[in-house]
Amino acid sequence: GEDVEQSLFLSVREGDSSVINCTYTDSSSTYLYWYKQEPGAGLQLLTYIFSNMDMKQDQRLTVLLNKKDKHLSLRIADTQTGDSAIYFCAESPNTGNQFYFGTGTSLTVIP
Amino acid sequence: DTEVTQTPKHLVMGMTNKKSLKCEQHMGHRAMYWYKQKAKKPPELMFVYSYEKLSINESVPSRFSPECPNSSLLNLHLHALQPEDSALYLCASSQGPASYGYTFGSGTRLTVV
Repeated sequence: GEDVEQSLFLSVREGDSSVINCTYTDSSSTYLYWYKQEPGAGLQLLTYIFSNMDMKQDQRLTVLLNKKDKHLSLRIADTQTGDSAIYFCAESPNTGNQFYFGTGTSLTVIP
Repeated sequence: DTEVTQTPKHLVMGMTNKKSLKCEQHMGHRAMYWYKQKAKKPPELMFVYSYEKLSINESVPSRFSPECPNSSLLNLHLHALQPEDSALYLCASSQGPASYGYTFGSGTRLTVV
């Protein structure tokens, strides 16, 4: 499969902004996604960005895409304790039904 | 209905047992997926069904046997599993190819003893 890399851990204080980073390898990816997984739960789609966009904002979430560097980031404004979870980026190549998940970033929000 | 429903939520089985995991969606999605996820790791793709036909089998051992009886249902039949098969098994569906994003179920937590 493709290599999709994330840093493993991130710790922030409640109210601060969190930035979770992801690098991917397949430049043909049409869509890139961010999923959230709380303990013992399935994956919840948070947001996605089409590959011809640089930025997408959705309430507290901002996604930035740098296609040249194959770098994707998720910024969470005013981080809350309920945001504590593992965040996976994922890419979807242009063909087939494949999805490639990143290694996951465990976000801990300190009250 | 915008959910993928998986049953059971938890399953404990012995190595000689036969059991089945079930997955159901009523969103009209035509692609359905089984993933295996170990603790604190990303999900690993096992099988893809597209229009009720198996389109991808990621070299999964034959003790896992998928079945898609109709466009809304996906089963995973389990037989003679090993303790290392203990994991969270996630079902997902998508409208078409993966480009449209997945909807995941909440998973079945499987423990093999």
